[in-house]
Amino acid sequence: GDSVTQMEGPVTLSEEAFLTINCTYTATGYPSLFWYVQYPGEGLQLLLKATKADDKGSNKGFEATYRKETTSFHLEKGSVQVSDSAVYFCALSDKTGNQFYFGTGTSLTVIP
Amino acid sequence: GAVVSQHPSWVICKSGTSVKIECRSLDFQATTMFWYRQFPKQSLMLMATSNEGSKATYEQGVEKDKFLINHASLTLSTLTVTSAHPEDSSFYICSAPRASGVWETQYFGPGTRLLVL
Repeated sequence: GDSVTQMEGPVTLSEEAFLTINCTYTATGYPSLFWYVQYPGEGLQLLLKATKADDKGSNKGFEATYRKETTSFHLEKGSVQVSDSAVYFCALSDKTGNQFYFGTGTSLTVIP
Repeated sequence: GAVVSQHPSWVICKSGTSVKIECRSLDFQATTMFWYRQFPKQSLMLMATSNEGSKATYEQGVEKDKFLINHASLTLSTLTVTSAHPEDSSFYICSAPRASGVWETQYFGPGTRLLVL
């Protein structure tokens, strides 16, 4: 069945460091791919998405490219800030957008 | 701001009691809502789909008699964990899709942490 695997955390970085959180997926068909972020005490928020191969999703300095050949959707940011400290979830859905499969989440802490 | 709320955010109960968790869409109507649970260091797992006006649809392996779902209105779905046991301790999250043009975006609640003693 469909599934998502993302790198385990926790990840601790210094401010302005480069961030990569790996995510790979297994799916039948052509899923849509997402990164969600959960700040402390809040619900999941959509960070970025890509709906087809080679699409690049971007938001708030974060980027991820839908790579069908490697079945990956790695999250990157060139220079992290303390305010980026959160848990990041990689997810995929079928085309209806209703059935979601999530990774285990990666906790990121950015220190000044 | 939050568009989906959950109540309570944290609950502790004794084994054998029932616990009700509410999920509300705050400024939009949702004919469908979704319930997930998350164990520590594991993925969110879809438990069931809550449908307004009809029975919920449960994922394989989820006991419908244990996890009662009622979609009471277009803005409210409730999950009742009946006769809770320590193994039911988990983080329960709901979501609701909100249409934005041709695309629907899932909005997630902040979650409810349940601890069964």
